Amino acid sequence: GAGVSQSPSNKVTEKGKDVELRCDPISGHTALYWYRQSLGQGLEFLIYFQGNSAPDKSGLPSDRFSAERTGGSVSTLTIQRTQQEDSAVYLCASSVVAGVSNEQFFGPGTRLTVL
Amino acid sequence: ELKVEQNPLFLSMQEGKNYTIYCNYSTTSDRLYWYRQDPGKSLESLFVLLSNGAVKQEGRLMASLDTKARLSTLHITAAVHDLSATYFCAVDRGEYGNKLVFGAGTILRVKS
Repeated sequence: GAGVSQSPSNKVTEKGKDVELRCDPISGHTALYWYRQSLGQGLEFLIYFQGNSAPDKSGLPSDRFSAERTGGSVSTLTIQRTQQEDSAVYLCASSVVAGVSNEQFFGPGTRLTVL
Repeated sequence: ELKVEQNPLFLSMQEGKNYTIYCNYSTTSDRLYWYRQDPGKSLESLFVLLSNGAVKQEGRLMASLDTKARLSTLHITAAVHDLSATYFCAVDRGEYGNKLVFGAGTILRVKS
């Protein structure tokens, strides 16, 4: 079946602009995660959704970052007033929150470059 | 705070050789995951280890978990060039829906 999809695959923006990143999880996966991967910081957790609610937002680096999920499916990560340090690859993952494993399946990522 | 350390961070191997990547973590967890990442690509799930003593094997890769020592190993047998990639271990706190905390990754280069 289809895996996790993300769009756009690449985004170049100017400092101060807002951007929206989209994630479409695997069908039937109730949990959705956003991570960020950058050279200096490695892989960092941003936010976790269970259904449409976000029980863990602890990784969002500032109030410029927000995310929502609708219909228990698609999620959008929004970064307002982008800064150069926001440049990174933003990865989305989904999992089935049931059973024993929390195996997460990752999308291809969105590479964000802030000029 | 859960911390995950991998070593080595960079590994250059000759084809045909064996080596082990180590993953240590700081707090109690029974669930450990190994992922592979090729350059410019996303993360591919390799192994899910869910209990003390768990061992999983796929081709030339074998992963094990010792929860008492808080240690997982990824053993590479008779390396081939196609194994060149970055390997990450990740741990969660053992609760459903938990975030994964990743190690820094091990860059593996297998030379012909």
